[in-house]
Parts: sequence; C-alpha cells; structure tokens
Amino acid sequence: GAGVSQTPSNKVTEKGKYVELRCDPISGHTALYWYRQSLGQGPEFLIYFQGTGAADDSGLPNDRFFAVRPEGSVSTLKIQRTERGDSAVYLCASSWGEETGELFFGEGSRLTVL
Amino acid sequence: AQSVTQLGSHVSVSEGALVLLRCNYSSSVPPYLFWYVQYPNQGLQLLLKYTTGATLVKGINGFEAEFKKSETSFHLTKPSAHMSDAAEYFCAVIVYSSASKIIFGSGTRLSIRP
Repeated sequence: GAGVSQTPSNKVTEKGKYVELRCDPISGHTALYWYRQSLGQGPEFLIYFQGTGAADDSGLPNDRFFAVRPEGSVSTLKIQRTERGDSAVYLCASSWGEETGELFFGEGSRLTVL
Repeated sequence: AQSVTQLGSHVSVSEGALVLLRCNYSSSVPPYLFWYVQYPNQGLQLLLKYTTGATLVKGINGFEAEFKKSETSFHLTKPSAHMSDAAEYFCAVIVYSSASKIIFGSGTRLSIRP
C-alpha cells in the first residue's frame, strides 16, 4: 500500500498473555520506528531499526518487549507477559533515513490489557 | 541531551483568531526541530520542520514556525484558525546518540470555537 500499515488496529488481551503487533512500512523506507502513546501523552520512543538491525533499542521499557525486522521491511513488536500498564496505542513510523526527521506514521495499534 | 517542552496541554481559540502553540527546546548542538499534527482517528503527519537556513519555516495548511535561538523556542502559529485545525500538535527534536531518533513533546490539543 501507499502508507504505513499496522495490524491489528485494536487488540484486547488478558494480563499475562503474549501479544504481537505488526508494522508494514512504506516500500523502500530503510528506517523504522516504534513508539508508544498513552492517553494525553506524546509518542514515547521504543526502538529504531536501520535495515534489519536495531540501531537504538534504548526505549524498550524492559525485557518483556522485543522487536524484530528480519528482512528489513515488515517489523513485529512482541510483548510477553502483558501487564495492564502496557495498555496504550503502539505507533509505527518509517522514513528514508535517520537524518531527515520526516516520519510517516501508521494509524497505530490500540492495545488493551484487562 | 536534546528535549522539547510544550507549554499548555490544551489551547482553545475562536474561529478566525490567531493560533499560537508554544514549544521550547533544549539542545547542546544546533537542533533539528519539527511540528507534527494528529487529526482525530488519523496517524501523525509532519506539519513543518527546521533544519538549517531560514529561521521562519512554512508548513501545510497555513501554519508556520520560527526558530529563535536566543529564546530556545520554536512556536507554531497560524494567523486565522479554521475549524479543521482542531487536532493534537506535537513538537519534536532529533536526538543524537548511538543513532538519531525523533523525540516528541507531550502535545497540545487545539480546540476551535465557532
């Protein structure tokens, strides 16, 4: 497609369950970012990929969070043993490179942990 | 380390009035600064950016922002508000660490009164 696609758009899960969120970036974009946005807050940086490798994962809150981008295109954010505090909108963005500052965002995946 | 602070989580103006959304930055190096907008039920999109050169930058939908180094500010303005401007606005800065990443402020919700 023409834009960044995120699936699912909504995910409701129970505390302790495992969740995967998928991001399909704009074709040709080498940089991919994951952010988390809680109600009333700005996007919080989680991880940044340049190609297949994680260039900066300093925003991942703990080892329950993990992200991959095995072929340098689609990325999956994985959350183990979900907690109620993980409830948020998870945003994915892509760009041509890290210096441009112009990120193209998807509409996000809303995660609710009951 | 680079950061941005947005003053005012909610701003309300009348249709046709001046819009002023405030952003101050902190940076030990010349900053790259951005404004993003998030319309209801849509992904974030770039409104405008400042990298180098002219300190007054123009963006989409009649918005502009001026980089003022002496005041460490990058306020967003629009001379005449329109109902369609109602949205959440985020100031952002590129942070240089192991890799460049975009860090967002907490956001300002703009409401337009008829």
